[in-house]
Amino acid sequence: GAVVSQHPSWVICKSGTSVKIECRSLDFQATTMFWYRQFPKQSLMLMATSNEGSKATYEQGVEKDKFLINHASLTLSTLTVTSAHPEDSSFYICSASGNFGGGELFFGEGSRLTVL
Amino acid sequence: AQKITQTQPGMFVQEKEAVTLDCTYDTSDQSYGLFWYKQPSSGEMIFLIYQGSYDEQNATEGRYSLNFQKARKSANLVISASQLGDSAMYFCALHERSTSYGKLTFGQGTILTVHP
Repeated sequence: GAVVSQHPSWVICKSGTSVKIECRSLDFQATTMFWYRQFPKQSLMLMATSNEGSKATYEQGVEKDKFLINHASLTLSTLTVTSAHPEDSSFYICSASGNFGGGELFFGEGSRLTVL
Repeated sequence: AQKITQTQPGMFVQEKEAVTLDCTYDTSDQSYGLFWYKQPSSGEMIFLIYQGSYDEQNATEGRYSLNFQKARKSANLVISASQLGDSAMYFCALHERSTSYGKLTFGQGTILTVHP
């Protein structure tokens, strides 16, 4: 079946640095990808919708200058956490939508970010 | 109002017994879909079952079935013959057709613990 891959699975960085997380659709073209954030034992909160070839659509309260999203191809979206701070430590997970006709969406494995 | 609500923060069930996880939703869309995902401690989102708003039959997938009561706006997940490996966080999610293809709103989640 379709697979969405995220990289890296784990990342630890120093405060003030930037971190890039990749989300790839491996065997289908994803015109739209979604980035979620999840704090421990909490729900997934949508951060932004990533559209191939156009600007991402951010949810209310999400800083677009801090969480840069690029969807340069039909198989790759990247989330860059800029000038990361400890409060950005979280689990980031993407999902991909291609010819979605009802049924399962495909999620990446998630990326756990720890900012020291 | 919350679009999707899971009122059970935690549930316990004996191995081999059935368990129902509650989910209610609120949408003005006539066309929508409801998803259930399992999230083990590894963090991956495992798709379990999907119900479309126009589906006349309740969805079933192996040991998983969805008790869809449209008038009550509820979409409860029933897991039959629970197994120890079913212990995980379970999320109900809503997709409204008026939104981006694949955009989901998640409930708060229910932590299911299966006892031997």
